[in-house]
Amino acid sequence: RKEVEQDPGPFNVPEGATVAFNCTYSNSASQSFFWYRQDCRKEPKLLMSVYSSGNEDGRFTAQLNRASQYISLLIRDSKLSDSATYLCVVNSGYSTLTFGKGTMLLVSP
Amino acid sequence: DTAVSQTPKYLVTQMGNDKSIKCEQNLGHDTMYWYKQDSKKFLKIMFSYNNKELIINETVPNRFSPKSPDKAHLNLHINSLELGDSAVYFCASSQANYYEQYFGPGTRLTVT
Repeated sequence: RKEVEQDPGPFNVPEGATVAFNCTYSNSASQSFFWYRQDCRKEPKLLMSVYSSGNEDGRFTAQLNRASQYISLLIRDSKLSDSATYLCVVNSGYSTLTFGKGTMLLVSP
Repeated sequence: DTAVSQTPKYLVTQMGNDKSIKCEQNLGHDTMYWYKQDSKKFLKIMFSYNNKELIINETVPNRFSPKSPDKAHLNLHINSLELGDSAVYFCASSQANYYEQYFGPGTRLTVT
């Protein structure tokens, strides 16, 4: 099982749609979880941290299920500007973060 | 104010050359990193470094070496460049291990 595995993309959705990304991780001792977004030819940028109780930031909701080693990101009311690659990030337990390969989202008018 | 900066932004060089990429962060963070993102867009950790410990990804060739003159800087030296080194290299920093990381804009390296 890969350390961090994400849904293959791309996801093509119309503006206003709700889209969900899933991610699984292999190291049960992982402590920190994040979602990053990366625009084309740009650096990854932190979107949000993921907490055990789940957390929300505007249109974005992140959830963590430790028992299933599963993380999700829900985007409501998609905007054109949400088009990007979304990276699931988990601390690997070896003092570094491990990035998933990312899921590309394309929001169309 | 740029939190994490890298120079140069683009680097084109020939096989066999030695090159350096510089990274600076003004966030007061204790830990800095180098990542490589290849043509398949997979972001892979190369090094993690703070003033106490250097952690090297075992898959990184020893032609690559990080050098840190102080806590705010972590430069990447690459000797005897090869075609397969062509990629985008990102520097990042964090307050400590396990915390969120902030990335520089990347250096696009092309080896011809």
